[in-house]
Amino acid sequence: GQNIDQPTEMTATEGAIVQINCTYQTSGFNGLFWYQQHAGEAPTFLSYNVLDGLEEKGRFSSFLSRSKGYSYLLLKELQMKDSASYLCAVRDSNYQLIWGAGTKLIIKP
Amino acid sequence: DGGITQSPKYLFRKEGQNVTLSCEQNLNHDAMYWYRQDPGQGLRLIYYSQIVNDFQKGDIAEGYSVSREKKESFPLTVTSAQKNPTAFYLCASSIEGGGGVDTQYFGPGTRLTVL
Repeated sequence: GQNIDQPTEMTATEGAIVQINCTYQTSGFNGLFWYQQHAGEAPTFLSYNVLDGLEEKGRFSSFLSRSKGYSYLLLKELQMKDSASYLCAVRDSNYQLIWGAGTKLIIKP
Repeated sequence: DGGITQSPKYLFRKEGQNVTLSCEQNLNHDAMYWYRQDPGQGLRLIYYSQIVNDFQKGDIAEGYSVSREKKESFPLTVTSAQKNPTAFYLCASSIEGGGGVDTQYFGPGTRLTVL
């Protein structure tokens, strides 16, 4: 079966750095997406990786290792507004997104 | 402003009733999707459509129906056959439903509660 694993919840301090891991086992791989979702709201797109390596976008970076079935989202200089769930999704061989359950990130002052 | 709208935001339904959730986009996207989100689970695909007048079942299509008569609109009907309809329903669209950075953009969602 297809599976995406993420930690359920993480806590970090304002101004710090946090890394959210995602491991996947899917039938085929056509890219990995990270989304941010505030409680009760729609997911919003953060990043896309299809080749191995690091993609940087301001305070957010995303890393991919296809051989290890592994990705992480790195958030720097954490702000209170970063408190949200972070969703990892992999596009499989049928070009459908397989979603992880999300990681709830709690930021403390 | 381009975007995806869903209505209503909150919906209450009695058991045994069908209900239709609206989804409209003005992004000129070909592909549209319906997902269901339950606590502690990833988004699950209900139906998707890559072109007008065509749609495919996702992983959990039983008890749901859709139509795609216009490019802009992709309504979802939750029928009385759906055993556990209480959930947060999200509609999304993307340019073509293919590969590359074909990002899915989401509407604000409809929270359906069956009483």
